Amino acid sequence: DIRMTQSPSSLSASVGDRVTITCRASQSIGSYLSWYQEKPGKAPKLLIYFASSLQSGVPSRFSGSGSGTDFTLTISSLQPEDFATYYCQQSYGSPFTFGQGTKLDIK
Amino acid sequence: EVQLVESGGGLVQPGGSLRLSCAASGFTFSYYDMHWVRQATGEGLEWVSGIGTTGDPYYPGSVKGRFTISRDNAKNSLYLQMNSLRAGDTAVYYCAKGVAGTGGFDSWGQGTLVTVSS
Repeated sequence: DIRMTQSPSSLSASVGDRVTITCRASQSIGSYLSWYQEKPGKAPKLLIYFASSLQSGVPSRFSGSGSGTDFTLTISSLQPEDFATYYCQQSYGSPFTFGQGTKLDIK
Repeated sequence: EVQLVESGGGLVQPGGSLRLSCAASGFTFSYYDMHWVRQATGEGLEWVSGIGTTGDPYYPGSVKGRFTISRDNAKNSLYLQMNSLRAGDTAVYYCAKGVAGTGGFDSWGQGTLVTVSS
């Protein structure tokens, strides 16, 4: 199975900060990498697919980059509604594995 | 608007069975891969199963042989038959729609809670 490792596991930041979360795959997955945002009591929301494609309706402050084994999710200027948990997920091959999550909270 | 509505969750004893359903609307169901993803309380996301447009299923090792995913394109519905349930299967189960060609999940249901306990 392909193992997905996110870092950091948790992060404290302030409104307006630029934040970067990284995700590393245990083997090359091309660009088959998605990012999700999850808030308590709600279903996950797709932010980025195919490593860098912004999902419709997602603010442009979110961006994704990378290919192969190393990927990043960047939030250019944190807004209050961005404090949540973020997951990466590979869809290169079954089983489609998720990272362990990065909890982003207010400093 | 895409809508996915799960049902069928509940309390079941270890070793028991449960069948989850997901009613889809707002898109051409037969055109998309569909998936089940679960989340235990306080834990991360775990992909549980997927099914292609032609009905080909795929599973992780943790549920293979116990869970069966299926779809009925005429009814716009996705199913998950869960057998030999264990305490470790306790979670909220989400139905999710695949993004064509890239594998991400672009729409999710609200989830249904499955509790395996005696």
